[in-house]
Amino acid sequence: DTAVSQTPKYLVTQMGNDKSIKCEQNLGHDTMYWYKQDSKKFLKIMFSYNNKELIINETVPNRFSPKSPDKAHLNLHINSLELGDSAVYFCASSHSQVTGELFFGEGSRLTVL
Amino acid sequence: KQEVTQIPAALSVPEGENLVLNCSFTDSAIYNLQWFRQDPGKGLTSLLLIQSSQREQTSGRLNASLDKSSGRSTLYIAASQPGDSATYLCAVPASGGSYIPTFGRGTSLIVHP
Repeated sequence: DTAVSQTPKYLVTQMGNDKSIKCEQNLGHDTMYWYKQDSKKFLKIMFSYNNKELIINETVPNRFSPKSPDKAHLNLHINSLELGDSAVYFCASSHSQVTGELFFGEGSRLTVL
Repeated sequence: KQEVTQIPAALSVPEGENLVLNCSFTDSAIYNLQWFRQDPGKGLTSLLLIQSSQREQTSGRLNASLDKSSGRSTLYIAASQPGDSATYLCAVPASGGSYIPTFGRGTSLIVHP
């Protein structure tokens, strides 16, 4: 059973399109995250979300928005895609926002043409 | 703002060597520190989680230590093997109360036979 799963694993799309990446965790965790890994492999936080609070990295363009239908899911919506959005996007979860171990999905590689 | 530095950025060693990977962070008021491994094209696999009250954690050939006061953690890999080749990342909660794990840029390790 995959603990944190993301779909799709690969996504190729044109500039200007709108796309979504889905994330689900079956660990019963309270907090979920989206990270972006750029071409230099640096992992940068985009969002952190639990059932009480959404924390947004201020550097993330408002074309990116997280949507959480329930505690086990945190989807990433991206509007008006740009070339610079090409990256690998990782979803992660932890039991506790403060002390919990972080578990990652396999990543979703987005290519914008 | 928490800043995480990993040294060295890259390491290439013959099989059998004992290795030391370093992680330093600027804000020592952390709750935990986590070490990960990332294989090319894959997600992050958690190796060790050290809570702030602990000084070290061990798993097999891996040992991680934490010195909060000096803002440092060390990952020790004993008797390295080619299968240990990967990028090793450390993550600590950001400062300012957000608790979101901030990553270093990683150490890229190659162990050759």
